[in-house]
Amino acid sequence: SQQGEEDPQALSIQEGENATMNCSYKTSINNLQWYRQNSGRGLVHLILIRSNEREKHSGRLRVTLDTSKKSSSLLITASRAADTASYFCATFNSGNTPLVFGKGTRLSVIA
Amino acid sequence: GAGVSQTPSNKVTEKGKYVELRCDPISGHTALYWYRQSLGQGPEFLIYFQGTGAADDSGLPNDRFFAVRPEGSVSTLKIQRTERGDSAVYLCASSETGLGYTFGSGTRLTVV
Repeated sequence: SQQGEEDPQALSIQEGENATMNCSYKTSINNLQWYRQNSGRGLVHLILIRSNEREKHSGRLRVTLDTSKKSSSLLITASRAADTASYFCATFNSGNTPLVFGKGTRLSVIA
Repeated sequence: GAGVSQTPSNKVTEKGKYVELRCDPISGHTALYWYRQSLGQGPEFLIYFQGTGAADDSGLPNDRFFAVRPEGSVSTLKIQRTERGDSAVYLCASSETGLGYTFGSGTRLTVV
C-alpha cells in the first residue's frame, strides 16, 4: 500500500525557475523523507524532516511539514536541467516499520 | 562495499520459471529492505530484515515470493512460478539507523 500522494503527478518548468511538489499522507508519522529517482532505478535520499520540525533546508532544497494537515512540500530553487527526475515522499511511522512511499512527481526541467 | 549492489541488473525469464535476485547491502547495515516498483508507481514494500530474521514480510504478495538473509548481510529474493504480472523493478535498500535508506540500482525483471 502507498500512503503518500504527491501532487502534481508531473511538472515541467524552465531552467532557473522554482519547482514545488506536495505530498499528503494519511496516518501519524515519526518523520517524512524525500527521495529522488533518475531513470526508474535506484532512489537517492535527499532530506528528512521530523514530525516536530516545520521547515528544513539543504542547499537548494527546502522542505516544509504541516502535521495538522498531514502534508509536506519540497521546493527546489533555481532549478537545473540535472534536476530532471522523479521525486518521492516517504513516511516513517515508528519502531521497525518500513518506509511507505508515494507515487511520485515527475519533474522535467527544460534548458 | 561503498554502496548497495544488486545483481543482475536485468533479468528476462519465461513465465513459470524460478528466479533469484541478489542484494549486497552496505557493510555493517543491519536493516535490509526489498521493494517492488511498477512503471509510473512508487516503490511498494515487500519484506524487511533486521539481521538474519525477517522482521516484517507483510508486503510479499503471495507464497510464490520468498526472501532470505542467512548470514545477516547478502539477501536473496526468490520468486517461484513467475507470472507476467511480476514484471517490475525490484529495489533493495539498507540502513544503519532505520531512517534514511541507501538504495541499490535495482533489478529489472521481465517475465515473457
